[in-house]
Amino acid sequence: DAKTTQPTSMDCAEGRAANLPCNHSTISGNEYVYWYRQIHSQGPQYIIHGLKNNETNEMASLIITEDRKSSTLILPHATLRDTAVYYCIVIIQGAQKLVFGQGTRLTINP
Amino acid sequence: ETGVTQSPTHLIKTRGQQVTLRCSSQSGHNTVSWYQQALGQGPQFIFQYYREEENGRGNFPPRFSGLQFPNYSSELNVNALELDDSALYLCATKSDLANYGYTFGSGTRLTVV
Repeated sequence: DAKTTQPTSMDCAEGRAANLPCNHSTISGNEYVYWYRQIHSQGPQYIIHGLKNNETNEMASLIITEDRKSSTLILPHATLRDTAVYYCIVIIQGAQKLVFGQGTRLTINP
Repeated sequence: ETGVTQSPTHLIKTRGQQVTLRCSSQSGHNTVSWYQQALGQGPQFIFQYYREEENGRGNFPPRFSGLQFPNYSSELNVNALELDDSALYLCATKSDLANYGYTFGSGTRLTVV
């Protein structure tokens, strides 16, 4: 079973920041938080990951709470192409498998 | 274009038949995993290979088997197909040095009738 809880769906206006929450209250000290997204008819795409510090790359920012029980993926300026299902996954670095939950279906509206 | 290519993109098979799905990845991607994704669900882990040896398996029966080859390609074989095997099958690869997660292919859509 997935160790994360995410809202089923979210909407965001184009050009605004999209903030996707994820709860992982049972996360272990050596587990990382990974985010993937899946655009319709494609395979999942890696976005970002972190252990306890906030992370930023060219796609997104990841904010992890101090107790590590939740995190937020931020897409700073959402575009229509960001419409996808976003998966939050907790995993030990180097683990064999990714355990996907249902994810959040994010719809960016014009 | 992710560097991970899966073939065929779509396939229709009859119940009871056997199917082979293929995946090719980038040089140096020694880890390959296969996932099954039913409609409306997240991907489910089938198994993983590292340097041609299976090193992890999910809750799938033995009629799901695989191979990994030295040229960074791999296969997923499914025997005695059942209607519930209809799904998107995804291949994901990773190099030993990667610190950015797995790279997925676009998948093979298998329909069993």
